[in-house]
Amino acid sequence: EAGVAQSPRYKIIEKRQSVAFWCNPISGHATLYWYQQILGQGPKLLIQFQNNGVVDDSQLPKDRFSAERLKGVDSTLKIQPAKLEDSAVYLCASSAGTEETQYFGPGTRLLVL
Amino acid sequence: DAKTTQPTSMDCAEGRAANLPCNHSTISGNEYVYWYRQIHSQGPQYIIHGLKNNETNEMASLIITEDRKSSTLILPHATLRDTAVYYCIVSAGKSTFGDGTTLTVKP
Repeated sequence: EAGVAQSPRYKIIEKRQSVAFWCNPISGHATLYWYQQILGQGPKLLIQFQNNGVVDDSQLPKDRFSAERLKGVDSTLKIQPAKLEDSAVYLCASSAGTEETQYFGPGTRLLVL
Repeated sequence: DAKTTQPTSMDCAEGRAANLPCNHSTISGNEYVYWYRQIHSQGPQYIIHGLKNNETNEMASLIITEDRKSSTLILPHATLRDTAVYYCIVSAGKSTFGDGTTLTVKP
């Protein structure tokens, strides 16, 4: 079974630029998560989708971050404009349902200069 | 979500059992205990989960106290490749990761 795919793996941008990350979950998984992981800390949930609907986006900085999951499969996370403090690893995970085991992708490492 | 408390770091000798504790005193009756680990530069990897009973799989064993307020992850024969950050979370649909325990397995 193919795992969760993410791209790009690495991205370097300057502050105030925009960036987008892509995630392809495990086939058939209805729930998709985006996490932000700052160096030395545990992952922080940004947004959770159930199919193409948002379940939880309480910790998403909505003034600069946006996410969508059109058609309930792939998802994109966008940052516009980026700040220095957005430098982190962005992890995507998926699960069969909202109370099921999560499977994580390799993450996208973002550096904002 | 119930919060969890884990030691910041632990060491273990190669070949010995690694016992990683987790406190979740505010856990609700329908919340599972999940353990994940994260090896450097990789995404977290699922290890095991349980509700009330002790669980065992090919990777580890999970011991949950009768009152469910704490649990222990046991790696029976730790190897150098088990060096990682181990996260204990409680989940009934939402996941709050703490900073985990950094386990270092030493030769």
